[in-house]
Amino acid sequence: KQEVTQIPAALSVPEGENLVLNCSFTDSAIYNLQWFRQDPGKGLTSLLLIQSSQREQTSGRLNASLDKSSGRSTLYIAASQPGDSATYLCAVRRIQGAQKLVFGQGTRLTINP
Amino acid sequence: DTAVSQTPKYLVTQMGNDKSIKCEQNLGHDTMYWYKQDSKKFLKIMFSYNNKELIINETVPNRFSPKSPDKAHLNLHINSLELGDSAVYFCASSLNSGEQFFGPGTRLTVL
Repeated sequence: KQEVTQIPAALSVPEGENLVLNCSFTDSAIYNLQWFRQDPGKGLTSLLLIQSSQREQTSGRLNASLDKSSGRSTLYIAASQPGDSATYLCAVRRIQGAQKLVFGQGTRLTINP
Repeated sequence: DTAVSQTPKYLVTQMGNDKSIKCEQNLGHDTMYWYKQDSKKFLKIMFSYNNKELIINETVPNRFSPKSPDKAHLNLHINSLELGDSAVYFCASSLNSGEQFFGPGTRLTVL
């Protein structure tokens, strides 16, 4: 059974800092991994999708890495801004079986001006 | 030009009632999903349809019945609503096993 863990549960940093969010998963047989952000009372916005054959993906100030063998992914946010404040969720999709995403419980990020 | 839309956004109802939530996507995707986000913000898959066929049915009470009239729509009907059904329900879609896109959510409150 796939389990996804995100640490820390909450993080507060001053504006301008670079930061890393962590995601770990127990079963390395994944098809892809997706990072989302969720603003309070809103839906999920897809940030980055990493296929199992990829090591990293970049979009603007965001960079996500994937190490399947160790069951880990990180989301790097450069030059953080108050607008980056949100809950960040990672989710993995298994190779076989049902096409479902298994989510972590998220990291609530606060960027202080 | 909303990609994945859900109606209604808020739903407040009494225990025992039957209600439906509708979802539509205009992305040309072939797979659609229903997720439930509980009070602790944990997201869990409920159902998935691929080309109108049910492919995922997690351990969900049979009071919940999804219906996919076509590839662009996946509706969720809930019978005999219970207090524990209160949550935010998200619809999502993807092309095969690709990137999933989520709707804005429907906040269901059962009184």
